[in-house]
Amino acid sequence: AQKVTQAQTEISVVEKEDVTLDCVYETRDTTYYLFWYKQPPSGELVFLIRRNSFDEQNEISGRYSWNFQKSTSSFNFTITASQVVDSAVYFCALSDDPTGANNLFFGTGTRLTVIP
Amino acid sequence: GAVVSQHPSRVICKSGTSVKIECRSLDFQATTMFWYRQFPKQSLMLMATSNEGSKATYEQGVEKDKFLINHASLTLSTLTVTSAHPEDSSFYICSAPDQMNTEAFFGQGTRLTVV
Repeated sequence: AQKVTQAQTEISVVEKEDVTLDCVYETRDTTYYLFWYKQPPSGELVFLIRRNSFDEQNEISGRYSWNFQKSTSSFNFTITASQVVDSAVYFCALSDDPTGANNLFFGTGTRLTVIP
Repeated sequence: GAVVSQHPSRVICKSGTSVKIECRSLDFQATTMFWYRQFPKQSLMLMATSNEGSKATYEQGVEKDKFLINHASLTLSTLTVTSAHPEDSSFYICSAPDQMNTEAFFGQGTRLTVV
């Protein structure tokens, strides 16, 4: 069975602080894909990143970075120098399909509030 | 990039009535679309897979007679909540993979309130 755990329900930080959102997953598949999505107050899901299980390289995109640790089944997301526009709910998700369109298991999400 | 449009964004209906939600892929064809439901402060749960030209596939525990899905064309899938009840109040969101199957795009979601 697949499972995604985001233990942090809500996080508040002051603008310009760094923040890390945790994600721990469970799967019996040897090939799987991990995703992060952002859900702003407007509701739509914004794709942030896709990582396959064979690629453990960390990735940086601007202020965003992701740390994939297969040994601990974690795929954490860090925002550096947070901004008010980063306020949203962030979902970590797991799939056996690279697009994430099939069998996409979401975590319960972490609501990030960045205080100006 | 590919865009998925969902309509309406918000709807309030009376208990016992039916509500139709549309999900359109605007600049690409989608033979498959997915419908998710998100209860307040909870995660998104896959409800069903909508297949163009064939019956939808429902996840366990989702009533297919209550949540009617029609994938009438390569760019449109509809979800009809029949005989809605207050417990059906939720956020419904659709997604579709692009034609290259490289990414899934999500609609803006529909917030349904049944009173």
